[in-house]
Amino acid sequence: AQTVTQSQPEMSVQEAETVTLSCTYDTSESNYYLFWYKQPPSRQMILVIRQEAYKQQNATENRFSVNFQKAAKSFSLKISDSQLGDTAMYFCAFNENDMRFGAGTRLTVKP
Amino acid sequence: NAGVTQTPKFQVLKTGQSMTLQCAQDMNHEYMSWYRQDPGMGLRLIHYSVGAGITDQGEVPNGYNVSRSTTEDFPLRLLSAAPSQTSVYFCASRYGTSGTGDTQYFGPGTRLTVL
Repeated sequence: AQTVTQSQPEMSVQEAETVTLSCTYDTSESNYYLFWYKQPPSRQMILVIRQEAYKQQNATENRFSVNFQKAAKSFSLKISDSQLGDTAMYFCAFNENDMRFGAGTRLTVKP
Repeated sequence: NAGVTQTPKFQVLKTGQSMTLQCAQDMNHEYMSWYRQDPGMGLRLIHYSVGAGITDQGEVPNGYNVSRSTTEDFPLRLLSAAPSQTSVYFCASRYGTSGTGDTQYFGPGTRLTVL
């Protein structure tokens, strides 16, 4: 079964700075999808970014980008120009047939 | 277009009581799933369905039942509630049924407390 590991339970960053959240996963498959979801205090799960494993180019969505290292099974999320509204739990997720999530990283953006 | 809806938003049960968490989606998605979220453990898959009449177990299925009689609805039943089932429950749906990059849409969650 696939597993997803987020080794940073909590992180903080100053407003306007850059922060990177780590994620590693384990699978024997060659094609799959990876996601980052954001969960603000409202509890709503919001898709931030996704990456398909066979695409070598790292995905980018505005201030959010990923560093996908397939051989290392690593999928980190970089948030540039951090904003107060980025304060949330961030979950890394892996989809092979059904979606599995890491334990999450609680990110606090400080003014 | 309501997306994924869940009822109730909050529920308190006594040990041994049964209840059903409701989930509905109006996006004609084939795949639906239930997760529970506990502190420090992320979201764990309880049950999922790839279409009407088809359900399967996830990581933590014990104590829960599901059925899928229509494409739209996917209720989760707790047969005899236990304190260990105190959690936040999320229903989710997506278009594709396997190995897909389709966006998974989540409901607003149900906070369940079992005393």
